[in-house]
Order: sequence, then structure tokens, then C-alpha cells
Amino acid sequence: NAGVTQNPKFQVLKTGQSMTLQCAQDMNHNSMYWYRQDPGMGLRLIYYSASEGTTDKGEVPNGYNVSRLNKREFSLRLESAAPSQTSVYFCASSRGGSGNTIYFGEGSWLTVV
Amino acid sequence: TQLLEQSPQFLSIQEGENLTVYCNSSSVFSSLQWYRQEPGEGPVLLVTVVTGGEVKKLKRLTFQFGDARKDSSLHITAAQPGDTGLYLCAGATGNQFYFGTGTSLTVIP
Repeated sequence: NAGVTQNPKFQVLKTGQSMTLQCAQDMNHNSMYWYRQDPGMGLRLIYYSASEGTTDKGEVPNGYNVSRLNKREFSLRLESAAPSQTSVYFCASSRGGSGNTIYFGEGSWLTVV
Repeated sequence: TQLLEQSPQFLSIQEGENLTVYCNSSSVFSSLQWYRQEPGEGPVLLVTVVTGGEVKKLKRLTFQFGDARKDSSLHITAAQPGDTGLYLCAGATGNQFYFGTGTSLTVIP
């Protein structure tokens, strides 16, 4: 079972460059999320999509945009990368409802130089 | 402000010892999950607890959800080096998930 897949796994960007992180889930989940994980900061929510056609800001949305392309796919875009965006990015999804559980992809390591 | 506080933040123990990790909040959650994350990988779900007072066992791991659904604990019996990793708790309210900062566990052979 693929679960949540994200690409690329590793990327090095120069300051000011743009890029898009791709994410897809095959669990027919309604909700999808993008988190970043930094040492000592835990997982912080960037954006989420509660259902197809909707997106909402999370805790740290500045410098990012998202697109819920369809129920399966949720992409994260950095328009003008900054060194502060060096981080590990995780896409996740959940079904919603009682006993809601969130499932993660394997992560994307992004370095901005 | 961290909605979920985990303690301890770091834990280093000898193989065979027991340990407990705590996840506390002043907020009520509809469910709470525990994850283990190993270096270079994403968090992997260990368990979801839904009912206040619920206790779930997964081999040597015992998870408890507080009666008021505000806190949880993870107890590991006879820890093994394979238990080494970052343990994260996450509380769910609706479609939102709130994560603790994690407990980094090292089990020394």
C-alpha cells in the first residue's frame, strides 16, 4: 500500500528560486496537510485542506502556497525560497470523523542556500 | 504556546528498563495518536485512542487516554534498542491535529 507519497525526497535550492512539492494519497481521505519539522520546534502546520476544493492557513503559512488539485493530490509551492525555509516537509492525510487519524508521507528534505 | 506538552523531552535508558512518556494538555481531544519517528523518515502511527480512560496494548507498549481526554501516556516495558526513536503524540479536534514536540528515546544495549 502506497499511502501518502511525496516528491521530491531531497532538493537544494538557491535563494529566490521557486519549487513545488508534490503529494498524493491513495486512501480516499478527505483532508490533507503540509507540515514542516525543524529541530526543537516539532511539527508545525503550514496549510491544510479539509476537503477537495478548500484550503486554509495553518500556523506558519507565510512564503508558501498550496493547491488541492483533486481529492488525491495536494501540492505545496515555494514562490521565492529563503534560507529560513530550509526544513523537512511532511505531507499527511486523514479521513475525518470519529477516531480521526493522520498518516504521513516519508518527508522531503529541502535546503535553501 | 504548545497545545500539547510532552515529557520528558529526552530519555536515555539501558536495555531492559521500563519507561513512561507523558502527553498533557488543557484541551479536550476527540482522539489522540502516538507516533514513532526514526531519523530520515516520516512519523509512523503506533496507536489511536478515542475513548476517555481507554487503554491499548501493542506488545510491550501500553497506551492510556486520560478520563477527560486531555492527556495520554505511553509506557514501554523492557525497552529494547529497536525502540529508539522520536515519540510524538498528536491530539485531534475535528480536522485539526496538534502535535507535541516529541520525546527522543535512546535505548542503550
